[in-house]
Amino acid sequence: DAGVIQSPRHEVTEMGQEVTLRCKPISGHNSLFWYRQTMMRGLELLIYFNNNVPIDDSGMPEDRFSAKMPNASFSTLKIQPSEPRDSAVYFCASSLSEDYGYTFGSGTRLTVV
Amino acid sequence: GESVGLHLPTLSVQEGDNSIINCAYSNSASDYFIWYKQESGKGPQFIIDIRSNMDKRQGQRVTVLLNKTVKHLSLQIAATQPGDSAVYFCAENWGRGSTLGRLYFGRGTQLTVWP
Repeated sequence: DAGVIQSPRHEVTEMGQEVTLRCKPISGHNSLFWYRQTMMRGLELLIYFNNNVPIDDSGMPEDRFSAKMPNASFSTLKIQPSEPRDSAVYFCASSLSEDYGYTFGSGTRLTVV
Repeated sequence: GESVGLHLPTLSVQEGDNSIINCAYSNSASDYFIWYKQESGKGPQFIIDIRSNMDKRQGQRVTVLLNKTVKHLSLQIAATQPGDSAVYFCAENWGRGSTLGRLYFGRGTQLTVWP
């Protein structure tokens, strides 16, 4: 299994631009999570899906952030418009069920200038 | 924010020594705990887990201890190696019926192994 696949690995964009991060979970996993990691705040859960349905999006910072999971093998996290304070590493993780730990992707390092 | 905290933000040990990383959790209803290792530039990697009906679980060179009385979790690494240098996170699951498998992560402890 290739694990959780995220793209791109690095993204540098100008303030105000739209950014789309992508994630392919492990096949058969029914839960998918988007996390943001910064030095100041550590790992923050943004949103998670169970069976493609958003369960908890209370961690999404504001309306500029949106996430979708159109099918079991793909999810996107979109920031529009992006701001410098959005600069962070964004991780996607998936899990088999609530009884198991997560498998994380390698992350997308986002820099907004 | 996260409900799980760590006693020590940094830990330095010499190669070959044993390491102990501690974690305090806040929710007495948590029934599942995991330790993750995160190396620079990589995503967190699962190390070992333990359920609340156990006090101890051993893996290869790692042992996790759970003390539910004081809500404390620890990770012991035997014969620490330079490759063990990383940030270690503990995470807790608040249990079935609460947030459907959501894990709450601590801030992390940086482990540095000196040759």
